[in-house]
Amino acid sequence: AQSVTQPDIHITVSEGASLELRCNYSYGATPYLFWYVQSPGQGLQLLLKYFSGDTLVQGIKGFEAEFKRSQSSFNLRKPSVHWSDAAEYFCAVPSGGYNKLIFGAGTRLAVHP
Amino acid sequence: NAGVTQTPKFQVLKTGQSMTLQCAQDMNHEYMSWYRQDPGMGLRLIHYSVGAGITDQGEVPNGYNVSRSTTEDFPLRLLSAAPSQTSVYFCASALAVEETQYFGPGTRLLVL
Repeated sequence: AQSVTQPDIHITVSEGASLELRCNYSYGATPYLFWYVQSPGQGLQLLLKYFSGDTLVQGIKGFEAEFKRSQSSFNLRKPSVHWSDAAEYFCAVPSGGYNKLIFGAGTRLAVHP
Repeated sequence: NAGVTQTPKFQVLKTGQSMTLQCAQDMNHEYMSWYRQDPGMGLRLIHYSVGAGITDQGEVPNGYNVSRSTTEDFPLRLLSAAPSQTSVYFCASALAVEETQYFGPGTRLLVL
């Protein structure tokens, strides 16, 4: 069965520092992979998605993610974090249908000034 | 466009009460879905619909009913609320089954 693991429950970084959020997946074939962000009190917003092709995917708000099949990973990165990036981030993979998503438990990002 | 709207924003119920969580979208999206979000568990799919008149179960459907009589609306019904249904509920919609989902702001439900 498909599954998603986000090993880090909570991460704190300083504003301007680089960021990497980890995501590991279990999937039978080449997966579709998604990263969503949830700002406090808001719904989820799609940051980026991977279908196939180039393993480095660019998203909104300056985020990117790299698909590594050998490591079953799809880590999210940003070179310089802004205070407005403080939010919860979810990695997701489809299960039984493109939009039938299995979500990871999420990583809560705090940004220190 | 208002996007995906959900009402109410917050609700307190007593065990055994019933209620309907409303979800509407004005983007003419065919696909709609309901998720619940619990601490440490991410979001889990409750029910989904690929178009008016068509619904199906997701990962955690027990205790919830849905119907889709129009393209715009996808209400979620709790027939007899239980404390285990205390959660934050999100509705989402997509233009089609294989298009990006857009999420509503959520309904926070507390069952006492």
